[in-house]
Amino acid sequence: QLQLQESGPGLVKPSETLSLTCTVSGGSISSISYYWGWIRQPPGKGLEWIGSIYYSGSTYYNPSLKSRVTISVDTSNNQFSLKLSSVTAADTAVYYCTKEVAATSTGVLTHWFDPWGQGTLVTVSS
Amino acid sequence: QSVLTQPPSVSGAPGQRVTISCTGTSSNIGAGYDVHWYQQLPGTAPKLLIYGNTNRPSGVPDRFSGSKSKSGTSASLAITGLQAEDEADYYCQSYDSSLSGWVFGGGTKLTVL
Repeated sequence: QLQLQESGPGLVKPSETLSLTCTVSGGSISSISYYWGWIRQPPGKGLEWIGSIYYSGSTYYNPSLKSRVTISVDTSNNQFSLKLSSVTAADTAVYYCTKEVAATSTGVLTHWFDPWGQGTLVTVSS
Repeated sequence: QSVLTQPPSVSGAPGQRVTISCTGTSSNIGAGYDVHWYQQLPGTAPKLLIYGNTNRPSGVPDRFSGSKSKSGTSASLAITGLQAEDEADYYCQSYDSSLSGWVFGGGTKLTVL
C-alpha cells in the first residue's frame, strides 16, 4: 500500500525558505500514470494546491505561488521536495504531499489526489 | 474566497440524508471538468471520497454518492443513512482553466445531531 511521509523543519523564520521532503514508500515515484503534488491548509482554513511534479521533472505550479515555489524529484530515493521562498506568516499551514492520479474523462484531463501524507505543520515566525 | 462555493455547514440526524453542493463557473465545473470530493475527519489528512464526479474508491461505503449537473456549473455529494462517524469537513475539487490549476471548495462542516 502506497504511503507518503512529509519531513522538514516545523519552524521557519520570515523571509527565509521553507523546505520539505516527501518520501514515498510501497510504490515507485516513477509510475507513468501519476504526478506528485503539494497541498497546504492554513490553520482552521481550506485547502490550497501548491504545485505538482512528474517523475521526469516536469512541473506545474499554482500561479499565485509560482514566483516563490520550486518542486523537485529524486527518483533514486523515491522522494520529491518543496521549496517556498520569502515566507511570511501567511504561509503558516499544514503541508501535505500527495499522489496525483491523472486520467481522461470524456476527453478532458482530470486529476485527483490519493493518498495523502499525514501532513506537517510549518509555522513561520521569528 | 474559494473558486468553488460550498455551504459552510450542513447538519442532519443519524439515519437521515444530507447533500453538500459545490458551485463553480464556466471556467471550471461549467467547462466540463470533473469534480472530486474529499472527507477530512478531525485532526487528520483529507481522504478521497468520490472521483470523476460519481466514482467511489474501494472501501468507501455506498452511502456516499456524487453527482454533477449535466449542463450546469454545480456538483453535489449525498450522504444517506447518516452516522456519527460521518462528522467531518468535506471538500470538492476541480480544475479551473482561467487559473490554470487545481482548485478546491471552501469546505463544508457536517454535524451529525
